[in-house]
Amino acid sequence: DVKVTQSSRYLVKRTGEKVFLECVQDMDHENMFWYRQDPGLGLRLIYFSYDVKMKEKGDIPEGYSVSREKKERFSLILESASTNQTSMYLCASSLGFGVDNPYNEQFFGPGTRLTVL
Amino acid sequence: RKEVEQDPGPFNVPEGATVAFNCTYSNSASQSFFWYRQDCRKEPKLLMSVYSSGNEDGRFTAQLNRASQYISLLIRDSKLSDSATYLCVVIHGGATNKLIFGTGTLLAVQP
Repeated sequence: DVKVTQSSRYLVKRTGEKVFLECVQDMDHENMFWYRQDPGLGLRLIYFSYDVKMKEKGDIPEGYSVSREKKERFSLILESASTNQTSMYLCASSLGFGVDNPYNEQFFGPGTRLTVL
Repeated sequence: RKEVEQDPGPFNVPEGATVAFNCTYSNSASQSFFWYRQDCRKEPKLLMSVYSSGNEDGRFTAQLNRASQYISLLIRDSKLSDSATYLCVVIHGGATNKLIFGTGTLLAVQP
């Protein structure tokens, strides 16, 4: 079974703090993704990476950065946390990527619920 | 207009009922379609892919209507364990290849 783990289930931070969210997958997947999930808005893609040291902006990258130094690990960084970044953050990985790729199923981690005060 | 739209529900149905969800997508270039399931306070998991010819997996049937730009999920003989949020997911293809998630439809199966 694919396992995607995230460093924390719950996190409380102060406005202005730098926040690191870590994600690790154990199935040698090429592609990794960071989403946030908010009521009424669904999952929105923040950043994704299709290879080590490669990153692509998703739909809402502002206020976030990412790092992928190793294939199994994808980190999301909030440079200066703000209250509007209070959300559920979900990491995912997939072997393949894109239309008609038979391996594009995304496997999600359990999520990190971040509260910024 | 959202790229992927779903009725948020909740759909409250008795055990054994048949329930159907629809999902509409706005981009006619969309090429791949999925249903994910998300239990309360859990992560989303793939339920099934949706193929042009329609596909069935046990009590679950998914269909795609490209002309009207919607996909559907039919659940027969609902079980209590089917209670969850069902997320419609679309890939546009082309330069993006990103998954676009709907906001989900909440199903509550009552005993």
